[in-house]
Amino acid sequence: SAVISQKPSRDICQRGTSLTIQCQVDSQVTMMFWYRQQPGQSLTLIATANQGSEATYESGFVIDKFPISRPNLTFSTLTVSNMSPEDSSIYLCSVLLGIGNTIYFGEGSWLTVV
Amino acid sequence: EDKVVQSPLSLVVHEGDTVTLNCSYEVTNFRSLLWYKQEKKAPTFLFMLTSSGIEKKSGRLSSILDKKELFSILNITATQTGDSAVYLCAAFEGGKLIFGQGTELSVKP
Repeated sequence: SAVISQKPSRDICQRGTSLTIQCQVDSQVTMMFWYRQQPGQSLTLIATANQGSEATYESGFVIDKFPISRPNLTFSTLTVSNMSPEDSSIYLCSVLLGIGNTIYFGEGSWLTVV
Repeated sequence: EDKVVQSPLSLVVHEGDTVTLNCSYEVTNFRSLLWYKQEKKAPTFLFMLTSSGIEKKSGRLSSILDKKELFSILNITATQTGDSAVYLCAAFEGGKLIFGQGTELSVKP
C-alpha cells in the first residue's frame, strides 16, 4: 500500500470562501482521483487528476468550482471554490497503485461550510 | 449507465452471527470488484476480486466474485462489535471506481 496524507483533515469554512486540500503520497503513482462523500451518501468521483495536464471531470463537476492541480506523480490539490453549505462533505484523495491495480484512500478532509 | 447496487442497505445482527453482504454491478469495461470498510473516516481496503469463483479470505472475512451473474458477496463470520461499519463495494472499470450505496452493518453485543 501507500501512505496518503491529506491536509487539512478538518475545517470549518465561511460561505463564499475557497479552500485548497492537499494530497501527498509517499511513492509515485500512476493515477490520482478526488472523491466527494456527502453526509449519509456513498462516494462520488469528482475528477481524475492528470499529471501535467488538466484534470478529467465527471458529469456534474466543473473546473471553475473544483480546480485541481497535479504538478508531479506524488502530489495533487483540490480547491473547493465559492463554498456554500451544500459543499459540506468529506473530500477524499485516492490513488491507483500499479501493483495489483488497487485503489487506496487518504484519511479524508471533512469540510463544514457555515 | 454504469451502476453498482448493494443489498441490504442496513443490517442489525448480534455478536457471533454470520452475515452476507451483496453487491451486483452493471459496468462497461469491468476490470475488478473492490470491497472497502468505512468507519468514521476514509474507506479501508478489504479485497480486490478479478476472477470468478476464487475466494479471497482475511480472517473472518471472505469474498467471492461471479462474473457471469455480475455479483459479489462479502461474508463475515462470528461477527464482533468492531465489525460495525459501512461496507462499500466498487467496480473498477479501468479509469475509475463506481461505488454502490453501501451496507450499514451494526453488530450488537
